[in-house]
Amino acid sequence: AQSVTQPDIHITVSEGASLELRCNYSYGATPYLFWYVQSPGQGLQLLLKYFSGDTLVQGIKGFEAEFKRSQSSFNLRKPSVHWSDAAEYFCAVADSGAGSYQLTFGKGTKLSVIP
Amino acid sequence: ETGVTQSPTHLIKTRGQQVTLRCSSQSGHNTVSWYQQALGQGPQFIFQYYREEENGRGNFPPRFSGLQFPNYSSELNVNALELDDSALYLCASSILAGSLYNEQFFGPGTRLTVL
Repeated sequence: AQSVTQPDIHITVSEGASLELRCNYSYGATPYLFWYVQSPGQGLQLLLKYFSGDTLVQGIKGFEAEFKRSQSSFNLRKPSVHWSDAAEYFCAVADSGAGSYQLTFGKGTKLSVIP
Repeated sequence: ETGVTQSPTHLIKTRGQQVTLRCSSQSGHNTVSWYQQALGQGPQFIFQYYREEENGRGNFPPRFSGLQFPNYSSELNVNALELDDSALYLCASSILAGSLYNEQFFGPGTRLTVL
């Protein structure tokens, strides 16, 4: 069964600083990988996804992520964080073999931004 | 285009009661997935409905059941509520078309508290 690990429960960065959120996955085949963001009281919004091809994917709000098969990682990055980026971030993998493409999520990383 | 909506927003029940949560999928979507997000955790897949039939189920007991209607809206029913059922319940709609993965769009969720 697939699994996702987000090693950092809480990260605090200063506004304007760079950001990297870590994600490691366990999946037998080629994974479909995602990053979602959740603001308080809100549902999940998709930031970016990786299915195949170029291992560096661009998303919304200036985020990017790099797929590294050798490290089973899909880390999320942003060069300059804005105060509005404070939220909870979830990495997820879709089980493409299940037919339902059910998503398996990590436990999330809460991002706090210091003005 | 109307997004995914869920009702009610909040709900308080007592242990042993039954609850029904509702989800209206995004226009044109034929698939609804339900996820449970406990406090401090990532969402966990409960089940998915496609064309009014269950199309995949996570590790949840039979007292979690669902329905999908001809207009693709959906209900999640939980019988014999337990304290651990307290969570945010998220609904996601998507288009399931063969082996092609399409993005799941999430609603804002229903916050269920079991006392």
